[in-house]
Amino acid sequence: AQSVTQLDSHVSVSEGTPVLLRCNYSSSYSPSLFWYVQHPNKGLQLLLKYTSAATLVKGINGFEAEFKKSETSFHLTKPSAHMSDAAEYFCVVSDLDTGRRALTFGSGTRLQVQP
Amino acid sequence: NAGVTQTPKFQVLKTGQSMTLQCAQDMNHNSMYWYRQDPGMGLRLIYYSASEGTTDKGEVPNGYNVSRLNKREFSLRLESAAPSQTSVYFCASSEGRGPRSVETQYFGPGTRLLVL
Repeated sequence: AQSVTQLDSHVSVSEGTPVLLRCNYSSSYSPSLFWYVQHPNKGLQLLLKYTSAATLVKGINGFEAEFKKSETSFHLTKPSAHMSDAAEYFCVVSDLDTGRRALTFGSGTRLQVQP
Repeated sequence: NAGVTQTPKFQVLKTGQSMTLQCAQDMNHNSMYWYRQDPGMGLRLIYYSASEGTTDKGEVPNGYNVSRLNKREFSLRLESAAPSQTSVYFCASSEGRGPRSVETQYFGPGTRLLVL
């Protein structure tokens, strides 16, 4: 069975400093991994996804994530935080081996950006 | 394109009342999903429909029913609402090109449901 662990429920950074949101996954086969962002009172928006091509994935708004199979990690980073990055971020896994298209979500990391 | 739309945006129910949450997508997607979001728990899958005319249970189906009315629409029904069903409900869709395809899911804006 697949699972996702987001290691921090809350992260606070100052504007202009780097962002690191940590995610570890468990999957029986070759997973696809996603990061979604949810701004307050909004739906979820895809930031980026890993689909077994390049291990370093670039997404929207300057975010990127690196797939590390040996560490079963898919951490999300951004070099310089902006106030508009304040939101909740979800790491998500889709295990193709099960044949299901359903996603398994992590519990979320709330990013706070201080001025 | 509107993408995925959901109605209503907000609803208050009394325990035991019934209601239907509506979802529609205009992207010609085959697969549609219903999730609930609770604090500290991420999103959990309630039901999904891999194609028109089929539905399958997800992680937390108890207390819910679904109908895939046509390719565009996928509704979620609460027959007898309970306070434990207070949550934010999200509908999503994806292309559904096959079980081994990698798909992005597109989400609606959500329905906030309060059961008293």
